[in-house]
Amino acid sequence: GAVVSQHPSRVICKSGTSVKIECRSLDFQATTMFWYRQFPKQSLMLMATSNEGSKATYEQGVEKDKFLINHASLTLSTLTVTSAHPEDSSFYICSAAGHGAVNYEQYFGPGTRLTVT
Amino acid sequence: AQSVTQLDSQVPVFEEAPVELRCNYSSSVSVYLFWYVQYPNQGLQLLLKYLSGSTLVKGINGFEAEFNKSQTSFHLRKPSVHISDTAEYFCAVSRLGGYNKLIFGAGTRLAVHP
Repeated sequence: GAVVSQHPSRVICKSGTSVKIECRSLDFQATTMFWYRQFPKQSLMLMATSNEGSKATYEQGVEKDKFLINHASLTLSTLTVTSAHPEDSSFYICSAAGHGAVNYEQYFGPGTRLTVT
Repeated sequence: AQSVTQLDSQVPVFEEAPVELRCNYSSSVSVYLFWYVQYPNQGLQLLLKYLSGSTLVKGINGFEAEFNKSQTSFHLRKPSVHISDTAEYFCAVSRLGGYNKLIFGAGTRLAVHP
């Protein structure tokens, strides 16, 4: 099946710094990528949807200036958490869909655990 | 708008017993339906999906689900569970057509005991 990777798997950063998370589709062209965050013992909440070459569409309540999403190619999307604070600590998961993948399926990355100290 | 309700936050069950995880959804338009499994500190893995056709859907790891349009339900079942099935299970819906966002339920923690 289609494979999606995320890097890094874990990151610890200091409050006020920025951190970038990469999401890659390894064997298909991801025309659409989704970014989710998940708090402990909770469900996934969609943050934004990005289409290759276009600006991301953010969900209500998600600060687009704080969570910068770039989807510059068909295999890579990045999420940058700017000026991170402890409340941004969470599990961030991306998913991808597109040509070469099964219709209407999203393939999920393994997630990135962000801890802001 | 769509919403998903998973009726049980936790389901304890003994090994080799049958299990049903319940999912109800609400939507003003037709939707696709999915069940995902998440193991600790990992991403989500698709168990099965309903797009159209037969309302009984078979997935991986011996799981199956039945779409009931009149009751707006998509319950997940397995006739005999294993210890390795212990995980978090999420029901999700998306609008028809294209690659639309998934709306997730709150999740059900399946705990299989020996």
